[in-house]
Amino acid sequence: DAGITQSPRYKITETGRQVTLMCHQTWSHSYMFWYRQDLGHGLRLIYYSAAADITDKGEVPDGYVVSRSKTENFPLTLESATRSQTSVYFCAARTGRGPQAFFGQGTRLTVV
Amino acid sequence: TQLLEQSPQFLSIQEGENLTVYCNSSSVFSSLQWYRQEPGEGPVLLVTVVTGGEVKKLKRLTFQFGDARKDSSLHITAAQPGDTGLYLCAGGQGGSEKLVFGKGMKLTVNP
Repeated sequence: DAGITQSPRYKITETGRQVTLMCHQTWSHSYMFWYRQDLGHGLRLIYYSAAADITDKGEVPDGYVVSRSKTENFPLTLESATRSQTSVYFCAARTGRGPQAFFGQGTRLTVV
Repeated sequence: TQLLEQSPQFLSIQEGENLTVYCNSSSVFSSLQWYRQEPGEGPVLLVTVVTGGEVKKLKRLTFQFGDARKDSSLHITAAQPGDTGLYLCAGGQGGSEKLVFGKGMKLTVNP
């Protein structure tokens, strides 16, 4: 049971490039989330989705785009990467029945 | 805006010591969760508390939800090196799908 798989695990990209982080769940949990984790800030919500084709902004959405055409996939795109987007990104999922979230292993993104 | 404040933010103790981590807010939460995160991994759920005053135990870990559902504590008895990690509290607010996280408490237990 793989749960949530994020890819790539590590990524280095240049300023101004577009980069997409992938997130796939083997369940069919309704809700999916993208967080970024930075020293001094903890986990901050970027975007979330309540179901396929339903997405909404979180606390820090600027510079990011999401889509959810299928329940199991929730990719996060940085349209024009900036150094301030260097971070560890976590994807999470939860059912509609309980509050607990299940996290992927994270993607460490470095923008140079 | 950080709705959940955790304290202390860092703690380094010797094996066998006890410790308490606090998670405080001015907001009421319908549920509160504690996660542990190890380096290079995502957070893993330890416990969820939903009722004011609720106490849950998980081996040497004791979790309490405040009566007013605004705060929580995690107490570890006789800490072990395997307890080392980042402890995060997260709150859910009624009617919201989102979880709000505290900044975490980084615990190091030295042998």
